[in-house]
Amino acid sequence: SAVISQKPSRDICQRGTSLTIQCQVDSQVTMMFWYRQQPGQSLTLIATANQGSEATYESGFVIDKFPISRPNLTFSTLTVSNLSPEDSSIYLCSVEPPTAYGYTFGSGTRLTVV
Amino acid sequence: QKEVEQNSGPLSVPEGAIASLNCTYSDRVSQSFFWYRQYSGKSPELIMSIYSNGDKEDGRFTAQLNKASQYVSLLIRDSQPSDSATYLCAVEGAGSYQLTFGKGTKLSVIP
Repeated sequence: SAVISQKPSRDICQRGTSLTIQCQVDSQVTMMFWYRQQPGQSLTLIATANQGSEATYESGFVIDKFPISRPNLTFSTLTVSNLSPEDSSIYLCSVEPPTAYGYTFGSGTRLTVV
Repeated sequence: QKEVEQNSGPLSVPEGAIASLNCTYSDRVSQSFFWYRQYSGKSPELIMSIYSNGDKEDGRFTAQLNKASQYVSLLIRDSQPSDSATYLCAVEGAGSYQLTFGKGTKLSVIP
């Protein structure tokens, strides 16, 4: 399965600022996914990022708040904008499985907004 | 609205026992099913995938799928304290790469 490097691993940010999270994959993949895991909750898909096209956002998530870039087949960024304490979560990236094995996740970014 | 339901637990089992984790899903056309283990503060780790009805065994883990009942389970044999974690059930919709996760079952294996 793909090896996914995600950074930063954690950050503490002031409200009203933004945080950009990077996700690097060791192989070329068509689809990358961004998830949010709020405290004590399960994972919720934010958006799907395809190289060369606009990201597709799930209900409840908008591009102005969560802009995504996908400049090539091994890299993507998620920005969480205009931070509020409610954005304090773990953010995870994932990629389409190369085989029928399954999806793997990056190590996650723990964001705390103060 | 696709839903995946799990008993939140906590589920406590003694060391060496069998832990049984259950999951139901609402989307009847779902094709792929996954179990993830998540330790506190860590990202989810894939432990099992299953795609057809029946049982699939991998070491101490057995996944069971019954599409007619929209039910998937995970059995952990000879449970170890290191198995103590939250187990997430995830379902992939037909024709999509999107996963819907359950809220997870917290398992505690008591030495």
